[in-house]
Amino acid sequence: EAEVAQSPRYKITEKSQAVAFWCDPISGHATLYWYRQILGQGPELLVQFQDESVVDDSQLPKDRFSAERLKGVDSTLKIQPAELGDSAMYLCASSRADRDRVNEQFFGPGTRLTVL
Amino acid sequence: GEDVEQSLFLSVREGDSSVINCTYTDSSSTYLYWYKQEPGAGLQLLTYIFSNMDMKQDQRLTVLLNKKDKHLSLRIADTQTGDSAIYFCAESFQGGYQKVTFGIGTKLQVIP
Repeated sequence: EAEVAQSPRYKITEKSQAVAFWCDPISGHATLYWYRQILGQGPELLVQFQDESVVDDSQLPKDRFSAERLKGVDSTLKIQPAELGDSAMYLCASSRADRDRVNEQFFGPGTRLTVL
Repeated sequence: GEDVEQSLFLSVREGDSSVINCTYTDSSSTYLYWYKQEPGAGLQLLTYIFSNMDMKQDQRLTVLLNKKDKHLSLRIADTQTGDSAIYFCAESFQGGYQKVTFGIGTKLQVIP
């Protein structure tokens, strides 16, 4: 069964350092999402890609966060510099691009980031 | 604006039914979803309902939608210990890029 892959699973870093997370969506899924999930809360959308284009990054803190999906397949989310408040689970999800049907998103296992 | 609210915690005994509730504020929601998250894992879609439906049943799961009150519920029959997880209610809108907004999640604890 196809799955969304993420790496690393866990990352510990010191504040002011740079971190990067990688996501490989399910093959054929045109839409890719990055979410941040703070402990005890629901996922919050950071950025949404349609193929290689960003279609929603309204909640992405652009002074320190960046995301790319250069070939419209896998994606990287970067934080530079990391701050204490960035400690969270970072989830990647993918779905088929069909605006007229239910948006079933498939989630990866997430990257747990701890900033010290 | 979009806002999805849920109670934080529910505890039930194994074999009983569980009912998890959710309210949403945006009446233009097209799809409403229930996702399950097990410890240390990503979310998994359990079921969804289209806004023109009142009820949907899928094996042990029953979803009820009250559009007038903007209330969604998930009933799990014969709850098992493997059902212990966090359950997220979510909504999206047909058309556009279908941004999905998630609730805060309800932690279900099943007592053996």
